[in-house]
Amino acid sequence: DSGVTQTPKHLITATGQRVTLRCSPRSGDLSVYWYQQSLDQGLQFLIQYYNGEERAKGNILERFSAQQFPDLHSELNLSSLELGDSALYFCASSVDYQGTDTQYFGPGTRLTVL
Amino acid sequence: QKEVEQDPGPLSVPEGAIVSLNCTYSNSAFQYFMWYRQYSRKGPELLMYTYSSGNKEDGRFTAQVDKSSKYISLFIRDSQPSDSATYLCAMSAQAYGGSQGNLIFGKGTKLSVKP
Repeated sequence: DSGVTQTPKHLITATGQRVTLRCSPRSGDLSVYWYQQSLDQGLQFLIQYYNGEERAKGNILERFSAQQFPDLHSELNLSSLELGDSALYFCASSVDYQGTDTQYFGPGTRLTVL
Repeated sequence: QKEVEQDPGPLSVPEGAIVSLNCTYSNSAFQYFMWYRQYSRKGPELLMYTYSSGNKEDGRFTAQVDKSSKYISLFIRDSQPSDSATYLCAMSAQAYGGSQGNLIFGKGTKLSVKP
């Protein structure tokens, strides 16, 4: 158990809908990262937050947004969902935003868009 | 050409075999190289972390980096059924993704170790 929690574990929804994925980092970790994992694209970095502020952006679509709250949990919002958004979404956390600390991954949320 | 290429397998070996997993990459700026292990229905967990070229050993696992060839390897000695998982290589131009948080992952190689 990495100490990173993600809810829900599974999510099934329809095209055009909006969903929110939630992540609680390990105790003491200030950085949260979001990744998308699909069979054809592999694991891709979406966005990073550090202590409530956006630090880095990767391959995140404009339909997707995220935020990190004062208690350091983070939410990833996915809107106008398309079939191609079906994937595993992972959250990871680390102590700092740079340096030698490890990123610890949560168990993921499996999103299915029908 | 993708930045990181990894043979997806699947790779099936008998228990006790030596396993070799590999990735190639195209970005010469990569300096930090990682191997993650991902069990089915779980998140990735960091196995090995190396900087620049050279070898690093941790128990039954050895990571090798050859920057001149843009090639990294993970060797597993005396493989066990519990090693059955998907192994992902990852790399970055900054330590652990640095302020960019930008780890570039291979697609993963699925390994099965048969008793």
